[in-house]
Amino acid sequence: SYELTQPPSVSVSPGQTASITCSGDKLGEKYVCWYQQKPGQSPVLVIYEDSKRPSGIPERFSGSNSGNTATLTISGTQAVDEADYYCQAWDSSTNYVFGTGTKVTVL
Amino acid sequence: EVQLVQSGAEVKKPGESLKISCKGSGYSFTTYWIGWVRQMPGKGLEWMGIIYPGDSDTRYSPSFQGQVTISAGKSISTAYLQWSSLKASDTAIYYCARRLGYCSGGRCSYFFDYWGQGTLVTVSS
Repeated sequence: SYELTQPPSVSVSPGQTASITCSGDKLGEKYVCWYQQKPGQSPVLVIYEDSKRPSGIPERFSGSNSGNTATLTISGTQAVDEADYYCQAWDSSTNYVFGTGTKVTVL
Repeated sequence: EVQLVQSGAEVKKPGESLKISCKGSGYSFTTYWIGWVRQMPGKGLEWMGIIYPGDSDTRYSPSFQGQVTISAGKSISTAYLQWSSLKASDTAIYYCARRLGYCSGGRCSYFFDYWGQGTLVTVSS
């Protein structure tokens, strides 16, 4: 089955850039999306089709995908961005696959 | 405004049955796939299955095939997730979510753009 691996945690200082990776076999050949989940809340889509932002998502969120790794970048990270982040892709054998999740801490 | 409103929290005993719901509004319910996602306490997101309410075409994750049943009542814009015999390990928050996306040249962009508020299911003796 297809698997997506993320680092368990990422720490970033306010105003700095946070990069969250998502690794999978030939992931660059698939489309990746990203969700943000704050404690006690439902996930929110922040990036789809590797790099597109839904309406209402701040420009500081961006995404890329190449080779075996997709990356979610948060530029000028704010305290409000502290949350868990999950990547997700679709695979013909496994269907919908979520990454293992990354907790972003803004120190 | 697109909304997915899920049924309330449930407390059940092992072996009991349960059916939770997800009611869509603000869009054409029958023309978008609805997925179900499990989140066990302190853990990540797991895709369980998905249904197309228009014709009830349903797909399951191998991990959940035979463990749950997904259905939909298109006349009342509601999707369901049910168990015939709950286990303590079914304790989790269950989310429904609307799927968007397309396939082109063998590459599919499928993602969940709207999510329900989640239903907490607690199974304990």
